[in-house]
Amino acid sequence: GDSVTQMEGPVTLSEEAFLTINCTYTATGYPSLFWYVQYPGEGLQLLLKATKADDKGSNKGFEATYRKETTSFHLEKGSVQVSDSAVYFCALPMNSGYSTLTFGKGTMLLVSP
Amino acid sequence: DSGVTQTPKHLITATGQRVTLRCSPRSGDLSVYWYQQSLDQGLQFLIQYYNGEERAKGNILERFSAQQFPDLHSELNLSSLELGDSALYFCASSVEAGPSYEQYFGPGTRLTVT
Repeated sequence: GDSVTQMEGPVTLSEEAFLTINCTYTATGYPSLFWYVQYPGEGLQLLLKATKADDKGSNKGFEATYRKETTSFHLEKGSVQVSDSAVYFCALPMNSGYSTLTFGKGTMLLVSP
Repeated sequence: DSGVTQTPKHLITATGQRVTLRCSPRSGDLSVYWYQQSLDQGLQFLIQYYNGEERAKGNILERFSAQQFPDLHSELNLSSLELGDSALYFCASSVEAGPSYEQYFGPGTRLTVT
């Protein structure tokens, strides 16, 4: 079935460092792709999404480009802040046309001052 | 604040017991989803309802059941609880059922089974 694989964490960075969190997917067709973020003690919230190949989703300085050639949707940010410390989840719909999501295992990001 | 509310925030109970978790979706959202988050399994989809009807089922155990009421709130019932059921249970809602609609997550209910 459709699935996502993301890099294991934790990823530990200093403030203002460049961030990449890798995500690759397996799917039939070209589903929408999502990044969700979970701040400590909170539920998940949508960070960004891309609905078709070569789309770039962006929000709060984060970006991810839907690459069908490499089946990837890596999350990047040019300069991280302490407030970005959270768990990041890559996700896609379970089956084409459905809205239920399958999530990667999550990558914890820890940013130190 | 996502607009999705879940009660209770924390629940501690014993093995063999039954609990009910409650979710109120955002105003106007017709679709409700339940997820389980645990350290070993990660975030797993359990079940989805749309306007009172079951829409999709994931890795939901037979001991678990859910429903969505006419006012669109939803309840997740967990029975014959086992230690392994200890987890965070999230509810999410979306305006419609479809992959392009954003899901808004509640703050979760932390269930501890002792």
